Amino acid sequence: DIEMTQSPSSLSASVGDRVTISCQASQDISNYLNWYQQKPGKAPKLLIYDASSLETGVPLRFIGRGSGTDFTLTINSLQPEDIATYYCQQFDNLPFTFGPGTKVDIK
Amino acid sequence: EVQLLESGGGLVQPGGSLRLSCAASGFTFSRYEMNWVRQAPGKGLEWVSYISASGTSKTYADSVKGRLTISRDNAKNSLYLQMNSLRAEDTAVYYCARDIGYDSRGLPKPGYFQNWGQGTLVTVSS
Repeated sequence: DIEMTQSPSSLSASVGDRVTISCQASQDISNYLNWYQQKPGKAPKLLIYDASSLETGVPLRFIGRGSGTDFTLTINSLQPEDIATYYCQQFDNLPFTFGPGTKVDIK
Repeated sequence: EVQLLESGGGLVQPGGSLRLSCAASGFTFSRYEMNWVRQAPGKGLEWVSYISASGTSKTYADSVKGRLTISRDNAKNSLYLQMNSLRAEDTAVYYCARDIGYDSRGLPKPGYFQNWGQGTLVTVSS
């Protein structure tokens, strides 16, 4: 199985800050990487697919980059509504696997 | 608007069975692949099972293989998860998720969980 790791596990930042979350795959997954946002008590929401494509309706401040084994999700100008846990997920190989999540809150 | 509504969760004893349902609306259900994803209390996300649009292809996580069975009824716009021989470690919120099914080049590639239901809680405890 492909193992996904994320760092940091949590972070606290101020409104307006740029925040970057890293995701690493245990083997080359090309660009078969998605990012999800999960707010407390809610279902996950697809933010970024194919490593860098923005899902319809997602604010432009969310930027995905990377390929191979190393990926990042950047939130430009953090907003209060971005408080959530963010998960990366690979779909290059079955079983589909998620990273452990990065919890983002406001300082 | 795409809507997915799970039901069937509840409290069940270890070794027991439960059948989850996911009612789909707002899209042509028979054209989309579907998945079940679960989340144990306070934990991360775990993919559980996938089913093709026709229902002929199914895959499972090793942790549930032989105990959980995914199925669908396209005439009823519904997805199911039959859960047998339940264990404490199956305790989780279970989400159904619609799969885009194709990559950006239009090639078949499951694994994009584009839409999610609100989830249904399964608790396995004596």
